[in-house]
Amino acid sequence: QLQLQESGPGLVKPSETLSLTCTVSGAAIDNSYYYWGWIRQPPGKGLEWIGSIYYDGSSFFNPSLKSRITISVDTSKNQFSLMVTSVTAADTALYYCARLGRTDTLLGYYFGYFDYWGLGTQVIISS
Amino acid sequence: DIVMAQSPDSLAVSLGERATINCKSSQTVLYSSNNKNFLAWYQQKPGQPPKLLIYWASTRDSGVPDRFSGSGSGTDFTLTISSLQAEDVAVYYCQQYYSTPYNFGQGTKLEIK
Repeated sequence: QLQLQESGPGLVKPSETLSLTCTVSGAAIDNSYYYWGWIRQPPGKGLEWIGSIYYDGSSFFNPSLKSRITISVDTSKNQFSLMVTSVTAADTALYYCARLGRTDTLLGYYFGYFDYWGLGTQVIISS
Repeated sequence: DIVMAQSPDSLAVSLGERATINCKSSQTVLYSSNNKNFLAWYQQKPGQPPKLLIYWASTRDSGVPDRFSGSGSGTDFTLTISSLQAEDVAVYYCQQYYSTPYNFGQGTKLEIK
């Protein structure tokens, strides 16, 4: 059974860098041909996709955050990570990691829905 | 960017009755090459991560009860719960994955009347 677990500091100071890691168990990131992603949810609000990465390191991001985002993958640890620089109170949120579901067809493969989620990790930006 | 708008924002339905949630995208999410709508639905219960219910607008994920169904095409979509159960109380989100950024609707809170 695939499981994802987020980890990282729960409290980050404004202007500093937020770093989170997602550990995947039940499948090897580099042997599954899936994309992986980060989504966040501010308190009492909806869901915002942050960015996604493939096992080979190719990635794509939400343009609203792109200048501050780095997503990386460590296949040896079966993990992928998120860094957000220059954080402000607006970055306070529950951060989820997730797998992008994939559908194979005769025309090729398609992805983009999130079929497995971690439980989330709360991050508060405060001095 | 494709903007997703759900209606209503909240909904109260009696147990056993039908619940209908709507989702409208600002542009089509129907990909003509494969005739698939790049639209998913999620259920989020308090204190839990979202759970995938439906993808490709109408394909139920594994283990999702058949009282949940998705319909629609192009820009207008509907999630229907045919007979509301107490455990269906949650916030429901639609999401488009036709193009990045992958955007979600604002959510619809479903309660028991």
